[in-house]
Amino acid sequence: EPEVTQTPSHQVTQMGQEVILRCVPISNHLYFYWYRQILGQKVEFLVSFYNNEISEKSEIFDDQFSVERPDGSNFTLKIRSTKLEDSAMYFCASNGPSYEQYFGPGTRLTVT
Amino acid sequence: AQSVTQLDSHVSVSEGTPVLLRCNYSSSYSPSLFWYVQHPNKGLQLLLKYTSAATLVKGINGFEAEFKKSETSFHLTKPSAHMSDAAEYFCVVSDNAGNNRKLIWGLGTSLAVNP
Repeated sequence: EPEVTQTPSHQVTQMGQEVILRCVPISNHLYFYWYRQILGQKVEFLVSFYNNEISEKSEIFDDQFSVERPDGSNFTLKIRSTKLEDSAMYFCASNGPSYEQYFGPGTRLTVT
Repeated sequence: AQSVTQLDSHVSVSEGTPVLLRCNYSSSYSPSLFWYVQHPNKGLQLLLKYTSAATLVKGINGFEAEFKKSETSFHLTKPSAHMSDAAEYFCVVSDNAGNNRKLIWGLGTSLAVNP
């Protein structure tokens, strides 16, 4: 069964450093998303992406964040200068025509 | 604006007894509603979805949920809990427009199943 994959599973970085979280969505899906879950809080929408551009973004997704689909398979989330409050679990998701979103296992980002 | 309220942060049941996880939603649109499950150290898995068809929705692992518009509820039930059902459960709403949709999440309900 096809699945969304994410790497790395755990990333530790120092405050102010740039991080790139990687996702490989399901191959025939066209809609891509990033969500995050701060420990003990609800899952929050960050951004949706379709046809090589951002469709919608939340107020969390400020200028420090960017997304890219550099090739036909990867979908990345970049945080330019990480802050302590960026520590969270980051989930990638994708969907096709059925709009049922499939999630990856997540990347746990720890900013120290 | 859409929102989801999960009425219980933690539910504990005995194995073999029924499960009820409560969810109320608020939506300006005709909503789609979902339940996702997250087992420890695992990703988010879709249990079931409501998309304006049948109001009683059956999902995986014996779970089902009933959409009640008059009560703005979408409670998750299972007749008989199994130890493997212990996990975090999320009620989720999205607007019913287009394929590109953001999901709005509840805070989650942690389900414990006691032997």
